[in-house]
Amino acid sequence: DIQLTQSPSSVSASVGDRVTITCRASQGISSWLGWYQQKPGKAPKLLIYAASSLQSGVPSRFSGSGSGTDFTLTISSLQPEDFATYYCQQANSLPHSFGQGTKLEIK
Amino acid sequence: EVQLVQSGAEVKKPGDSLKISCKASGYSFPDYWIAWVRQMPGKGLEWMGIIYPGDSDSRYSPSFQGQVTISADKSITTAYLQWSSLKASDTAMYYCARHSGMGITGTTLMYWGQGTLVTVSS
Repeated sequence: DIQLTQSPSSVSASVGDRVTITCRASQGISSWLGWYQQKPGKAPKLLIYAASSLQSGVPSRFSGSGSGTDFTLTISSLQPEDFATYYCQQANSLPHSFGQGTKLEIK
Repeated sequence: EVQLVQSGAEVKKPGDSLKISCKASGYSFPDYWIAWVRQMPGKGLEWMGIIYPGDSDSRYSPSFQGQVTISADKSITTAYLQWSSLKASDTAMYYCARHSGMGITGTTLMYWGQGTLVTVSS
């Protein structure tokens, strides 16, 4: 099974900051990676698919990059509504594992 | 509009059986894989398994194989997750989610249900 390791596990940042979250796969997954945002008490929401494609309706301050084993999610200018937990998920092979999550908190 | 509406919260005792549901609408139900995802209290997301409603082909994470059963009924566009004997450690929120495309590889979870909270306590 493919393991995904996110870093950091948590990060504190301020409105307007640029934040980058990393996801590393235990083996190559091409570009088959998605990023999700989850707010407390809510279902996850798809932000990025195929590593770098922005899901419809998601603000352009979110971007994704990477291929193979190393991926990043970048939020260019944090907004108050972006404080949440972020997960990566690989869709290369079953089981479609998730990373452990990165909690983005207000500084 | 694609919608996945899950059944309501459940409170059960250890050893009980349970079947929760995920009612789909707004798209061709047989054509898209549906996944089930567990989230234990305060923890991250865990991929449990998927089903292709068109032929009920189901695949499981090794962590959940033999612990749960995923099924679907095309006639009422509903997917299910069931347990034959619940444990306290099954206490969690369970989400169903539809894949973005018709395949497995490369397709992410675009549409999500609201979640079903299962509490198992004596």
